[in-house]
Amino acid sequence: AQSVTQLGSHVSVSEGALVLLRCNYSSSVPPYLFWYVQYPNQGLQLLLKYTSAATLVKGINGFEAEFKKSETSFHLTKPSAHMSDAAEYFCAVTNAGGTSYGKLTFGQGTILTVHP
Amino acid sequence: GAGVSQSPSNKVTEKGKDVELRCDPISGHTALYWYRQSLGQGLEFLIYFQGNSAPDKSGLPSDRFSAERTGGSVSTLTIQRTQQEDSAVYLCASSSLAGISYEQYFGPGTRLTVT
Repeated sequence: AQSVTQLGSHVSVSEGALVLLRCNYSSSVPPYLFWYVQYPNQGLQLLLKYTSAATLVKGINGFEAEFKKSETSFHLTKPSAHMSDAAEYFCAVTNAGGTSYGKLTFGQGTILTVHP
Repeated sequence: GAGVSQSPSNKVTEKGKDVELRCDPISGHTALYWYRQSLGQGLEFLIYFQGNSAPDKSGLPSDRFSAERTGGSVSTLTIQRTQQEDSAVYLCASSSLAGISYEQYFGPGTRLTVT
């Protein structure tokens, strides 16, 4: 079984400030982890993914995330927030074993608000 | 190229009616997933199709839900005798091959409201 917990359903930052969105996972086998972004009335867009290569993963729009096995975490960061980053962010987990077929288990989502 | 498309974008139906939701995956993508996004349950996996293999229906919440994929392309999710708890956004995703190495591309979703 696998699960994802996103700490904080809402995060608010000022433009130019650091963005930190927290994600902790639970998985009985080595996980593969993803961050998706969803803009209003749109589908999900992949920001970045961890698939057992480098633990520090860089994604689109200046986002990056670090896989920390000891902490079972995969937090998403961006050094300087932009107004266009305002959206809902989802952390997701899957694994390559058994019958996963890449089907994703998502966290509850974090709404990011960016203030001018 | 064209992304994943879904229709209708919005659907309002009365409790007890049947509805059909359509997904057109990216051309050539062999894997297709349905997810449901609701306030109470977040994002949940519903069903998965891969080529001509039997679909993985393990996420379907009840036997009122069914899905098919014709010709390995277009998929239809059918909900019979809709209930208010079926109100949600239904998202479809496709990928070039199943598995974690292949990014899932999501459609914009169908917002279903059951009154």
